[in-house]
Amino acid sequence: AQTVTQSQPEMSVQEAETVTLSCTYDTSESDYYLFWYKQPPSRQMILVIRQEAYKQQNATENRFSVNFQKAAKSFSLKISDSQLGDAAMYFCAFRRDFGNEKLTFGTGTRLTIIP
Amino acid sequence: DTGVSQDPRHKITKRGQNVTFRCDPISEHNRLYWYRQTLGQGPEFLTYFQNEAQLEKSRLLSDRFSAERPKGSFSTLEIQRTEQGDSAMYLCLSDRSSSYNEQFFGPGTRLTVL
Repeated sequence: AQTVTQSQPEMSVQEAETVTLSCTYDTSESDYYLFWYKQPPSRQMILVIRQEAYKQQNATENRFSVNFQKAAKSFSLKISDSQLGDAAMYFCAFRRDFGNEKLTFGTGTRLTIIP
Repeated sequence: DTGVSQDPRHKITKRGQNVTFRCDPISEHNRLYWYRQTLGQGPEFLTYFQNEAQLEKSRLLSDRFSAERPKGSFSTLEIQRTEQGDSAMYLCLSDRSSSYNEQFFGPGTRLTVL
């Protein structure tokens, strides 16, 4: 079974600064996907960024980028130029590459943006 | 708005009552998942449909829970004889198997059992 660990229950960052959210996972699979999801207060969960395990290049989506370390089973999210709208719960998730591709989530990190 | 809808958005019920939730996924998506999220936790997998076939159920899904996806379109999740421990947000995920970029959550149904 896969497990996902987010060791930072809460983080805060000054507006316009950079913040990094940590995530580690445990799996015996070699082919899988990793995701970061954002869940704003009382709003829908949306996909922020995804990483295929077979790709060495770290994924980037505008101000969001990841640092994927496959050997260390680490998958951190960096948010640059933080904006007030980035305030949310952020969940790291794992999904294997075959069969029932259910998502396994971490417990989340609550990100606060300080104006 | 992700295009996935869930109804109702909120449900308050008394212990022992039955409740039913509905999820309408994106029409061309053949995979549908139900998750449960309790306060301060990440979502937990409940069950999975590919078209109309229910292919996996979590151990979290006791015999009081049943889910259907008739004709591979909308899905319903029913909880019988609700308990206070069933209070949670129930999330639906709509997914197209050919593309991992197309995963969309619905807004969820928040269930409160008194």
